[in-house]
Amino acid sequence: QKEVEQDPGPLSVPEGAIVSLNCTYSNSAFQYFMWYRQYSRKGPELLMYTYSSGNKEDGRFTAQVDKSSKYISLFIRDSQPSDSATYLCAMTAGGGNKLTFGTGTQLKVEL
Amino acid sequence: EAQVTQNPRYLITVTGKKLTVTCSQNMNHEYMSWYRQDPGLGLRQIYYSMNVEVTDKGDVPEGYKVSRKEKRNFPLILESPSPNQTSLYFCATRRSGANVLTFGAGSRLTVL
Repeated sequence: QKEVEQDPGPLSVPEGAIVSLNCTYSNSAFQYFMWYRQYSRKGPELLMYTYSSGNKEDGRFTAQVDKSSKYISLFIRDSQPSDSATYLCAMTAGGGNKLTFGTGTQLKVEL
Repeated sequence: EAQVTQNPRYLITVTGKKLTVTCSQNMNHEYMSWYRQDPGLGLRQIYYSMNVEVTDKGDVPEGYKVSRKEKRNFPLILESPSPNQTSLYFCATRRSGANVLTFGAGSRLTVL
């Protein structure tokens, strides 16, 4: 079993939809959680960064962490075609430990 | 501008022909790392370096070498490439103690 599980998609939604992307994990030591966005032919770029359980909002994006369920989510409101990309979750116990990545969910937002 | 620069961006080579993928960063970060990205397998760490002259294996080090002689550079060496090393490679860096990685744009390698 992988340490981090992420549905690969592809996920196709109409413009303006609310998108929910999710990851589950098995390592209870993970405390720092990230979402990266990767456009085609580009490197991953940090989108959201959260510590421990709770919610964090940044514009149209909300990251949610439920450590008791070992489940994290990324919500995108009013999705735009420019949101079409692969979204990678990543997590670490911190203190210099490596990041463990999900396999990524491919999202396409259609006009 | 903070940058992680990889070269080459695209390369087609043949089995057994040694090649080097360079990575350079201008952020004075201590930590540098190489990943490969394959469909269905995600990002897997090949090697990492905590600082100059300090390197260690990641999850998939077989067939690769690295060196860290200068803080800004962390080249990835494939001594005898094989077709199973066909992949998309990323260099990434972070400050010592930080959790967030900054990635380069990627190097797509095809080994025939």
